[in-house]
Amino acid sequence: GAGVSQSPSNKVTEKGKDVELRCDPISGHTALYWYRQSLGQGLEFLIYFQGNSAPDKSGLPSDRFSAERTGGSVSTLTIQRTQQEDSAVYLCASSYWTGGLGTEAFFGQGTRLTVV
Amino acid sequence: DAKTTQPTSMDCAEGRAANLPCNHSTISGNEYVYWYRQIHSQGPQYIIHGLKNNETNEMASLIITEDRKSSTLILPHATLRDTAVYYCIVRVNNAGNMLTFGGGTRLMVKP
Repeated sequence: GAGVSQSPSNKVTEKGKDVELRCDPISGHTALYWYRQSLGQGLEFLIYFQGNSAPDKSGLPSDRFSAERTGGSVSTLTIQRTQQEDSAVYLCASSYWTGGLGTEAFFGQGTRLTVV
Repeated sequence: DAKTTQPTSMDCAEGRAANLPCNHSTISGNEYVYWYRQIHSQGPQYIIHGLKNNETNEMASLIITEDRKSSTLILPHATLRDTAVYYCIVRVNNAGNMLTFGGGTRLMVKP
C-alpha cells in the first residue's frame, strides 16, 4: 500500500474484554514500531520489531499487552482484559533498513481505543 | 539516546519564518538529529534529519551548530496548516534503535 495502514480506526470495548489492533506496514519495510498516545500526552513507546531479531518489548506496560509480527509484515497488538487506563490512540510506524542505515519512520493514522 | 530540550510552546505569524530550537548538549558523535511533527489527530510525520551538516528539503531547513549541541528547525514561510507539535529526537541511526519522543514544541501559527 501507499502508507502504513491501521485497523480499526476506532474501537470501543467494554472493560475486561480483549482487543486486537492491526498494523499493515509499508511493503518491504523491515522495522515496525508500536506507540500509544493518551489524550493530551506524548508518544509512549511500546514495542519494536526489526527483521528476524527478537522484538524489543521494553515499553509494554504490563503482561496484558502483547504483539506479534507474522511473516515480517503485518503486526497485531493484543490487549487482554482491557482497563479504562488503556484508552488511548495506538500508533504504528514502519521503516526500511539496509546496510545498517534506515529511512525515516512512517506512521499510520492510529487506532483510537476507548474502554468503557 | 541523548536527551533533548525544547520550548513547550511557540507562536508564529502566518507567512513568517518559524524557528524551532532544540538543545541536545549530550549528543554523541554517531547520533543524528531528527525532526517530526504531529498535526492534531494525525500520526507523526517525518520532516528532516541530519548529522552535522545543515540540511534542507521541501518542508524545512535544519541548522546544526558546529559543536552539535543544539539545532534549529526552520519553516521558511509558516502557514496555518503548520500548526502542530514538533518533536526533536536524537538517535543512533541503526537497526536496533527506536524513536523516543519527548514533549515537543507546540507551534501555533496565527493569521
